Amino acid sequence: GAVVSQHPSWVICKSGTSVKIECRSLDFQATTMFWYRQFPKQSLMLMATSNEGSKATYEQGVEKDKFLINHASLTLSTLTVTSAHPEDSSFYICSANSPTEGQVTEQYFGPGTRLTVT
Amino acid sequence: LAKTTQPISMDSYEGQEVNITCSHNNIATNDYITWYQQFPSQGPRFIIQGYKTKVTNEVASLFIPADRKSSTLSLPRVSLSDTAVYYCLVAPAKYSGAGSYQLTFGKGTKLSVIP
Repeated sequence: GAVVSQHPSWVICKSGTSVKIECRSLDFQATTMFWYRQFPKQSLMLMATSNEGSKATYEQGVEKDKFLINHASLTLSTLTVTSAHPEDSSFYICSANSPTEGQVTEQYFGPGTRLTVT
Repeated sequence: LAKTTQPISMDSYEGQEVNITCSHNNIATNDYITWYQQFPSQGPRFIIQGYKTKVTNEVASLFIPADRKSSTLSLPRVSLSDTAVYYCLVAPAKYSGAGSYQLTFGKGTKLSVIP
């Protein structure tokens, strides 16, 4: 099956610094990747939809200047949390689409990145 | 957006069949139903996907009535390792390639399997 990786798996940073999280599709090309945030004991919340070579589409309430998304290639999307604050501490998960012509799109999820801002 | 409603939690003994139902009253014609399993501190894992009637794979079955306003995930003979949160996701079959994919996860069902 299709594999999606994330790096790092966990990161601790100081308040005010920026953190970059990478999402890679290892064995397929992903024209679209999605970024989610999940707080403890809560469901996944879609933050943005990222298309290769174009600007990301952010969900309502997500600050695009704070959560910078770059999808520069068909196998890599990055999420940069700028000027991180403790309230940004969360579990960030990416997923990638591997659409096949005429078939239903299926999402493949990465293992997630635990961000802790001190 | 098709909103989903699931029971918050369920308990089951090992070896029993577990059925988790998801309500999605405003499902659209081009929406598919997908179920995911998530363990703590891991990304969701695909279980099964369907559009109507019944779908079965090596790990689960998915039952969807004719009106498609609900769906039931059936896990045969659960084991302790099936303890996880299960999410029902209703979303368009194919992403249009522009804008938001309108993916909305419900609150999920926490399944606890008891020895």
